[in-house]
Amino acid sequence: GDSVTQMEGPVTLSEEAFLTINCTYTATGYPSLFWYVQYPGEGLQLLLKATKADDKGSNKGFEATYRKETTSFHLEKGSVQVSDSAVYFCALSPYTGTASKLTFGTGTRLQVTL
Amino acid sequence: DTEVTQTPKHLVMGMTNKKSLKCEQHMGHRAMYWYKQKAKKPPELMFVYSYEKLSINESVPSRFSPECPNSSLLNLHLHALQPEDSALYLCASSQETGGETQYFGPGTRLLVL
Repeated sequence: GDSVTQMEGPVTLSEEAFLTINCTYTATGYPSLFWYVQYPGEGLQLLLKATKADDKGSNKGFEATYRKETTSFHLEKGSVQVSDSAVYFCALSPYTGTASKLTFGTGTRLQVTL
Repeated sequence: DTEVTQTPKHLVMGMTNKKSLKCEQHMGHRAMYWYKQKAKKPPELMFVYSYEKLSINESVPSRFSPECPNSSLLNLHLHALQPEDSALYLCASSQETGGETQYFGPGTRLLVL
């Protein structure tokens, strides 16, 4: 079955540091890939997405590139802020022609300090 | 507008109570989802509705009963829950084709005493 593997957290960074959160996936076919962010006490917000190989998703300074050859979708940001502190989930959704489940990674907690 | 709304935000119920969670979207999406999220874990899919028909039930206990009255509304009826059912319940919606972005509501935080 489909699966997503994320790097274990928590990740603690100083403000303005460079962020990478690794994500690799296993899936049949060509799924869509997503990064969702969850702030404390809230639901999940879509951060960015990519729907085919070599697509780059970007939003709010975050970027991730769909790498089919390495089955990866690593999240990066050049300079993190305290307000980026949250839990980040990598996820995939297969093209099935009908509504299907999101398969999530375990989540990576990011803590950014001054 | 990519908003999914959920009510109530918080719910405390006893094991003999009956309660309902509500979800609404006005994005014209024809797929709607219920997820359950325990602390420090990713969301787990419970149910999927496609064109107002139940299409996926992830072997959820019968004390959880979903309902989709129309294409904009999704309910989750709760009865005789157990303390281990305490969690954040998230609703989501998307286009129906698969591979589409799922938009999540803020969730209902449920505590079963």
